Amino acid sequence: QSALTQPASVSGSPGQSITISCTGTSSDVGGYNYVSWYQQHPGKAPKLMIYDVSNRPSGVSNRFSGSKSGNTASLTISGLQAEDEADYYCSSYTSSSTSVVFGGGTKLTVL
Amino acid sequence: QVQLVESGGGVVQPGGSLRLSCAASGFTFSSYGMHWVRQAPGKGLEWVAFIRYDGSNKYYADSVKGRFTISRDNSKNTLYLQMNSLRAEDTAVYYCAKDRLAYSIELRPSFDPWGQGTLVTVSS
Repeated sequence: QSALTQPASVSGSPGQSITISCTGTSSDVGGYNYVSWYQQHPGKAPKLMIYDVSNRPSGVSNRFSGSKSGNTASLTISGLQAEDEADYYCSSYTSSSTSVVFGGGTKLTVL
Repeated sequence: QVQLVESGGGVVQPGGSLRLSCAASGFTFSSYGMHWVRQAPGKGLEWVAFIRYDGSNKYYADSVKGRFTISRDNSKNTLYLQMNSLRAEDTAVYYCAKDRLAYSIELRPSFDPWGQGTLVTVSS
């Protein structure tokens, strides 16, 4: 069982917006602004999309945004495109074991 | 550009050992912390270990603590993962990943970029 909880799947049509949630505890998501989001296409290595809750690395589209409220972080993708179809993982620092934890992953389908 | 190339994966029997390497190029390796992250076939991501830029601090997931050792050779721009007492549940693609920030002394989950991964299969 993953330490962070994500929905198994979400879907949306091109041009729409979707949000993926990532729920943890006060020992991880809620206690630190160290939440990241990764995109992984089949057979490829993950790619950093958001770090420190809401920051985008250089080169990542501004259609991707992150936020946090309490123990739940969220990734929002606006203006969905076919190329956004992938698996998305959240991660956070956790003080309970001085380590990093991931969510179970969310499969995004662009209809 | 930044490049990370893992090697050393393969098939090993339960209880056996394996050493993975990650050759880094395109950045000042000695300035960045490095991570190992694994992904079992068809499953999600699992963080394995982290080593500070100077090798002074190391952190491990509970699932590998006492069996795996992360190390680095800054003169060779290479990261290592020594894996002992391997179990079937260690079967996974192992990725090395660079810390996003230079000289970071904190354990933060911002891995950028990742290598292409190397497959480790533990089976008799």
